[in-house]
Amino acid sequence: KNQVEQSPQSLIILEGKNCTLQCNYTVSPFSNLRWYKQDTGRGPVSLTIMTFSENTKSNGRYTATLDADTKQSSLHITASQLSDSASYICVVILDSNYQLIWGAGTKLIIKP
Amino acid sequence: DTAVSQTPKYLVTQMGNDKSIKCEQNLGHDTMYWYKQDSKKFLKIMFSYNNKELIINETVPNRFSPKSPDKAHLNLHINSLELGDSAVYFCASSQEAFGGTEAFFGQGTRLTVV
Repeated sequence: KNQVEQSPQSLIILEGKNCTLQCNYTVSPFSNLRWYKQDTGRGPVSLTIMTFSENTKSNGRYTATLDADTKQSSLHITASQLSDSASYICVVILDSNYQLIWGAGTKLIIKP
Repeated sequence: DTAVSQTPKYLVTQMGNDKSIKCEQNLGHDTMYWYKQDSKKFLKIMFSYNNKELIINETVPNRFSPKSPDKAHLNLHINSLELGDSAVYFCASSQEAFGGTEAFFGQGTRLTVV
């Protein structure tokens, strides 16, 4: 069964600290993996897109990694800011029909 | 100049009523989607239209009927609303179908059925 699992479910860190969010998937065949940020009451916004041949991609203070062999991805946030408080969702796209398989997200709270 | 806009943002209605949610995109995209985000925060695709034609229709009660008058609009009409329909509904669009290109989301419509 195609699934995307994220951990932790929620995370609280102090402003200025770094954190890493995890995504494990069992989706096959794999096309690409995306990380989205969803602010409370808003729609998801894309942070990164990676194909299986890419193992890292950065977008400002966000760095995503991908290990296609172990089917794991991580999103690292550096020097967190209060505005980083949001849910971060990992999405894996099937290569066969480009269907999007969504994770449940990690709820990140940044405290001052 | 919002890219994907949906209205209303909040909708509270009684069981049994019929309601519609409107979505418009000004990105010139060919494909539009409706997603339902439940209380566990999973985003589940409901429908997808490509150039006004239905291409994805997941297992959704037939009380839900999408309408695409043109490729810039995809409205969602819901008949005989039930308590379980309470959720946040997101509209999205992309240039190509099936996730091949980036999808842009609206801000969501929080539907509460009482």
